[in-house]
Amino acid sequence: AQSVTQLDSQVPVFEEAPVELRCNYSSSVSVYLFWYVQYPNQGLQLLLKYLSGSTLVKGINGFEAEFNKSQTSFHLRKPSVHISDTAEYFCAVSVASGTYKYIFGTGTRLKVLA
Amino acid sequence: EAGVAQSPRYKIIEKRQSVAFWCNPISGHATLYWYQQILGQGPKLLIQFQNNGVVDDSQLPKDRFSAERLKGVDSTLKIQPAKLEDSAVYLCASSLAARPETQYFGPGTRLLVL
Repeated sequence: AQSVTQLDSQVPVFEEAPVELRCNYSSSVSVYLFWYVQYPNQGLQLLLKYLSGSTLVKGINGFEAEFNKSQTSFHLRKPSVHISDTAEYFCAVSVASGTYKYIFGTGTRLKVLA
Repeated sequence: EAGVAQSPRYKIIEKRQSVAFWCNPISGHATLYWYQQILGQGPKLLIQFQNNGVVDDSQLPKDRFSAERLKGVDSTLKIQPAKLEDSAVYLCASSLAARPETQYFGPGTRLLVL
């Protein structure tokens, strides 16, 4: 069975500092990987996705993620965060098993401090 | 383009009562998803529609939850009777197809069962 693990439930970081949010997955078949962001009282919004090709994926708002097949990871990074990046971040995996079911991680709450 | 619409935004009911949520996906999106997001957890897929057919409802508690998608457009999710553990945010999302496409999420309906 497929699963997604986000080890850090909360990550506090100072403004303009770099941040990395970790995501690991387990799957016996090919996967497609996503990062979504959820601002307070809003729905989820796609940050970036990996379907194929280059393992370094760039997304919106200066975020990027790298797909590492050997380590089964898809960590999200940003070199310099802003207060406005404070939100909940979800990693998700979709596997090609008929219906492309999405499985979401439990989320990481990023708190950017002034 | 208009986003995914959901109503109501908030609902408070007592246990054993029934409740219904409505979702209007982005025009032209064939795939519609309903997720349950319990506080502190990631979204969990309840049911996935492809046009007006059910593709995956393996995690839908069918003894109390039901969903339909009329004419392959709008969808309703019903809970009858509600239990305390049904308190959660119910998210609707849509995508162009069932491939690993970007999902577009609505703002969600926050349900509190007393």
